[in-house]
Amino acid sequence: AQSVTQPDIHITVSEGASLELRCNYSYGATPYLFWYVQSPGQGLQLLLKYFSGDTLVQGIKGFEAEFKRSQSSFNLRKPSVHWSDAAEYFCAVGRGATNKLIFGTGTLLAVQP
Amino acid sequence: DVKVTQSSRYLVKRTGEKVFLECVQDMDHENMFWYRQDPGLGLRLIYFSYDVKMKEKGDIPEGYSVSREKKERFSLILESASTNQTSMYLCASRYDGTANSPLHFGNGTRLTVT
Repeated sequence: AQSVTQPDIHITVSEGASLELRCNYSYGATPYLFWYVQSPGQGLQLLLKYFSGDTLVQGIKGFEAEFKRSQSSFNLRKPSVHWSDAAEYFCAVGRGATNKLIFGTGTLLAVQP
Repeated sequence: DVKVTQSSRYLVKRTGEKVFLECVQDMDHENMFWYRQDPGLGLRLIYFSYDVKMKEKGDIPEGYSVSREKKERFSLILESASTNQTSMYLCASRYDGTANSPLHFGNGTRLTVT
């Protein structure tokens, strides 16, 4: 069955440092992959998505992600983190004919001043 | 901008009560979803509706039912609430089931069952 794994439950980085959040998926065909962000007390907001073409995708708020089929990964990156990036980040994969989204368990990002 | 509105931000109910969680979207979206969010478990899909009166079970449908009588409204029903249904419930909608149709989320309903 299709699944998504986010191995890091909690990450702390310093403001201005680079960031990489890991996501691994299990899927037979070419997956539809997404990253969402959830700020405290809010619903989820789409950061970026991949479903074909260029394996490096750009998103909002300066985020990017790279699809690596050989590693079954879709890691999220940002070159310089801002305090406002503190949030929970979810990776998701579209599953089945109706493309239901299945989410990972999330990575909580804390940003130190 | 798409707006997905969940009728209650916080709810406190007693064990055995029938509970209705309401969700309304204003963009004529075909698909609507109910997820529950628990620490360490991420978001788990309860039910999915791909059109009016059409529904499909997600990964954890036990103890829940849904209703979609109108396109803009998707209701989650807890037939007899139990304490293990205490959770954050998130509603989402999207235009259709194509890959480039993103989910739009409401702000969630935090349900406590005592």
